[in-house]
Amino acid sequence: NAGVMQNPRHLVRRRGQEARLRCSPVKGHSHVYWYRQLPEEGLKFMVYLQKENIIDESGMPKERFSAEFPKEGPSILRIQQVVRGDSAAYFCASSQTKPGLANTGELFFGEGSRLTVL
Amino acid sequence: QQQVKQSPQSLIVQKGGISIINCAYENTAFDYFPWYQQFPGKGPALLIAIRPDVSEKKEGRFTISFNKSAKQFSLHIMDSQPGDSATYFCAATAGTALIFGKGTTLSVSS
Repeated sequence: NAGVMQNPRHLVRRRGQEARLRCSPVKGHSHVYWYRQLPEEGLKFMVYLQKENIIDESGMPKERFSAEFPKEGPSILRIQQVVRGDSAAYFCASSQTKPGLANTGELFFGEGSRLTVL
Repeated sequence: QQQVKQSPQSLIVQKGGISIINCAYENTAFDYFPWYQQFPGKGPALLIAIRPDVSEKKEGRFTISFNKSAKQFSLHIMDSQPGDSATYFCAATAGTALIFGKGTTLSVSS
C-alpha cells in the first residue's frame, strides 16, 4: 500500500518565484492536511481540506498561500512570490475520516517537501 | 490557534531508563490525544493515542497517562533504547485539525 506521497522532496526557489508542492493521499483517504515545520517550532497546522472543500484554513497565511484538493489529482499547496521566511519543511497528511474517529481518523504523514528560498 | 504546550524541549536519558514527556492543553472540547514519533528526514508517525474517558493506555514500552481535570497528559517510555532517539510530538483535536505541541527531542545514550 502506498502511503502519502509528496513531491518534490526538495525544492529551491529564488525570492519572488512560485512554489508548488504536491500531495497524493493514501488511496481511499478524502481528508488532507498541510503542516509547516521549522526547527524548534514543531508542526504548525496550515489547512485542512476534504475533496474540493476547504474545511479549516485558520493556520494559512492570508496572503501568497493557497491550497486545493481537486476531485481528481493530488492536493496542491501553492506559495506565490516566495520570501526567505517561507523556507521550511512542508508536510502533508491524510486520513480516511475526520481526525480522531476510531480506526479511521488516524493521520498518515508523507515525508515532506523541503523548500529553500535563496 | 488553540495551543498544546509540550515540555521538555529536549531530553537525554540513559539506556534502560524512563523517558517522560508532558503536555498540557486548554480547550476542553479536545477529545483525542495522539503522540507522534518523528525520525530525522522522515514524516511523523502515530505512536499511541488516548481518549479522555480513560486515564491510562499502554502499548508495549509506551504508556500515556491522562489527567482530565488538570488538562494534562504525558508519554512514558519504559526501558528506553537508543532506537527510541527521535522527536516526539503530542497533539490534540476536537474533530477538526490536529494541533501539535512543539516537540521533544529525545536522545537515549548507550
